[in-house]
Amino acid sequence: GQNIDQPTEMTATEGAIVQINCTYQTSGFNGLFWYQQHAGEAPTFLSYNVLDGLEEKGRFSSFLSRSKGYSYLLLKELQMKDSASYLCAPMDSNYQLIWGAGTKLIIKP
Amino acid sequence: IAGITQAPTSQILAAGRRMTLRCTQDMRHNAMYWYRQDLGLGLRLIHYSNTAGTTGKGEVPDGYSVSRANTDDFPLTLASAVPSQTSVYFCASSDTGPSHTGELFFGEGSRLTVL
Repeated sequence: GQNIDQPTEMTATEGAIVQINCTYQTSGFNGLFWYQQHAGEAPTFLSYNVLDGLEEKGRFSSFLSRSKGYSYLLLKELQMKDSASYLCAPMDSNYQLIWGAGTKLIIKP
Repeated sequence: IAGITQAPTSQILAAGRRMTLRCTQDMRHNAMYWYRQDLGLGLRLIHYSNTAGTTGKGEVPDGYSVSRANTDDFPLTLASAVPSQTSVYFCASSDTGPSHTGELFFGEGSRLTVL
């Protein structure tokens, strides 16, 4: 079956760095997305990885290892507004996104 | 720029009633999707449409129907609502193109409570 595993909740300090891990098992693979979702709001796109390696975009970076079925989202210089849920979503062979339950990130001053 | 508009934003509904959630996008995206999001679970795909005139079943289609008469509109209908359909519903669209890997743009969600 298809499965996504990411921590339910993480806590970090303002100004620090946090890494949110995601492991996945899918039927085929066509890339992996990360989305951010603030409480009560819609998810918004953060990153897309299809090749192995690190993609950097400002304070956020996303890493993919296809052979290990593993990705992480790295957030640097944390700000209070980064408090949100982060959703890992690989795309299977049918180009359907398989969504994890998300990691709730709590930022403390 | 509106993007994706959903209506209503919130609704309380008696069990057994029929309900249609509306979704309209102005980005001319080919693909549209309906998801439900429940606490502790990932987004689950209900129905999707890769292009106007076609629809497909997602992971949890039972009790729901959709239509895609044109590019912009993708309504979701609950023929006879049940309490287990209490959820937050998100409509999304993407400009898939040949690679099918376009990012999803989400509407603001419709919070539905079935009593």
